[in-house]
Amino acid sequence: KQEVTQIPAALSVPEGENLVLNCSFTDSAIYNLQWFRQDPGKGLTSLLLIQSSQREQTSGRLNASLDKSSGRSTLYIAASQPGDSATYLCAVRGNQGGKLIFGQGTELSVKP
Amino acid sequence: GAGVSQSPSNKVTEKGKDVELRCDPISGHTALYWYRQRLGQGLEFLIYFQGNSAPDKSGLPSDRFSAERTGESVSTLTIQRTQQEDSAVYLCASSSRQGPSYEQYFGPGTRLTVT
Repeated sequence: KQEVTQIPAALSVPEGENLVLNCSFTDSAIYNLQWFRQDPGKGLTSLLLIQSSQREQTSGRLNASLDKSSGRSTLYIAASQPGDSATYLCAVRGNQGGKLIFGQGTELSVKP
Repeated sequence: GAGVSQSPSNKVTEKGKDVELRCDPISGHTALYWYRQRLGQGLEFLIYFQGNSAPDKSGLPSDRFSAERTGESVSTLTIQRTQQEDSAVYLCASSSRQGPSYEQYFGPGTRLTVT
């Protein structure tokens, strides 16, 4: 059974810092991995999707990497801003079906 | 174009009542998913529709939960005889089969409170 873990559960940083969020999964037979952002009381916004054959994806100040064999992904946020404050969720899609298995999330707070 | 929409945005119901939650996927998306997020917990998969294939119901927590989808459009999630542990945010997502990614796009959710 696939399990997804995110570390740390919460993170507080001053504005301008670069930071890394971690995601690990137990079953390396994945189809893809998605990183999402969730603001309080809102739905999920897709940030980046990495196919199982890819090593990384970049969008603006965000860079996500994937090491499928070791069951790890990282989300790197450069030059953090207060507007980046949110909960970041990692989710994996297996090869056998469409559902996503989510981690518990990392709650990020960027202080001005 | 328009994103995934869900209604109602909030629903308060008494224990024992039935509720229906609605999801309108992105036009042209053949796959539709329901998840729920209970307070302080992660997102849990409930059910997945892909075109005309039989739905994957493996995440439904009990037989009080059911879902239907009309073709490749609207879906309704029905919870019968609601219990307090059903209180959660119910999220719907859709994805397209075009291209390799199957990227899922989420709606804003329905917050269900069972009193």
